[in-house]
Amino acid sequence: GAGVSQSPSNKVTEKGKDVELRCDPISGHTALYWYRQSLGQGLEFLIYFQGNSAPDKSGLPSDRFSAERTGGSVSTLTIQRTQQEDSAVYLCASSPGLVNNEQFFGPGTRLTVL
Amino acid sequence: GENVEQHPSTLSVQEGDSAVIKCTYSDSASNYFPWYKQELGKRPQLIIDIRSNVGEKKDQRIAVTLNKTAKHFSLHITETQPEDSAVYFCAASPSKTSYDKVIFGPGTSLSVIP
Repeated sequence: GAGVSQSPSNKVTEKGKDVELRCDPISGHTALYWYRQSLGQGLEFLIYFQGNSAPDKSGLPSDRFSAERTGGSVSTLTIQRTQQEDSAVYLCASSPGLVNNEQFFGPGTRLTVL
Repeated sequence: GENVEQHPSTLSVQEGDSAVIKCTYSDSASNYFPWYKQELGKRPQLIIDIRSNVGEKKDQRIAVTLNKTAKHFSLHITETQPEDSAVYFCAASPSKTSYDKVIFGPGTSLSVIP
């Protein structure tokens, strides 16, 4: 079946612009996660959704970052007034939502802020 | 919150030798410990996991061990092959809520030299 998809695959933007990153999870997966991976670095947790609600937003780096999920499916991560330090690969993952389940990752969106 | 440390950050072994990656975690309530492999330019994928009710788990050339008392767990790869070259992430899942958030370690870059 179809895996997790993300769009766009690459995004180049100018400092100060807003960007929206999209994640389509595996159908039926209730849990959805956003991570940030800087070059050669680990997976930095940003935010988690269970259904449409986000019980854990503790990883969002600043108030310029926000995310929403509608219909228990597609999620968008929005970064306002982008800064050069926002440049990274943004990975989305989904899981069935039961306790302790495998996360299935999307291919990521590579964001470059000039 | 949970903090996961991982050592070494880089590891180079000869083909056929064994590789060991060690992780420690801070939250004694964590009860699920997955390992993800990320090949260059690709998305992370689950390779093996272990739950707190067992001390060891094997899957062909890969094994994980868990010491809950000491709060550390390890990945063992035997008879390494060039295709094992990748970044490996350990993770721990706190069980304080009903969802499956995982906290990832910083990763270990494994190189298998033919």
